[in-house]
Amino acid sequence: QVQLVESGGGVVQPGRSLRLSCAASGFTFSSYAMHWVRQAPGKGLEWVAVISYDGSNKYYADSVKGRFTISRDNSKNMLYLQMNSLRTEDTALYYCSREYCSSSSCYAIFDIWGQGTVVTVSS
Amino acid sequence: EIVLTQSPATLSLSPGERATLSCRASQSISSYLAWYQQKPGQVPSLLIYDASNRATGIPARFSGSGSGTDFTLTISSLEPEDFAVYYCQQRSNWPLTFGGGTKVEIK
Repeated sequence: QVQLVESGGGVVQPGRSLRLSCAASGFTFSSYAMHWVRQAPGKGLEWVAVISYDGSNKYYADSVKGRFTISRDNSKNMLYLQMNSLRTEDTALYYCSREYCSSSSCYAIFDIWGQGTVVTVSS
Repeated sequence: EIVLTQSPATLSLSPGERATLSCRASQSISSYLAWYQQKPGQVPSLLIYDASNRATGIPARFSGSGSGTDFTLTISSLEPEDFAVYYCQQRSNWPLTFGGGTKVEIK
């Protein structure tokens, strides 16, 4: 079945780095743009970053631009989020999500979500 | 950045009642609005895309409407499993943004 499984979360001090991974299965990973979306404890959803199906285009939320880098390895069906210079406000559950595609078009919305990985930034 | 404002923050209704949720954009987003449902402890799930198109497997009691800056999600008759938080999301401009959510709770 279609599945996304995140890993790599943990507790980290402010200013340090962390790399999240997302393993995709059950679909042709290389055909889909992929996103990271996060949710702070008890809060709403915040879009973080997107990478196109072939990795050639990337966009970021202003809150993470210059600190986070999204990447992918289509040969391994893997999505990544390198997070540098972490701040306490980056504390959240980080979801990997697939962009929705119909038979004819793709839309920057999310039809498949992983269960998430928790990142806690604290001294 | 396009700001999405959802109202009300909380909606207290009984099963069988009609729920009307609002999402207002800070500028026109055409029909590029999606709705998600998130139940406690679960991941969000896509309900509606492009304002009025139900995603695969979504029951007909869920409907979306609107264009420009004002959008509505309607649940025609609330089932027990519909009590959850609902988010809107725009895909008109980067960065993608979400509304703050509306919690539909049992009255």
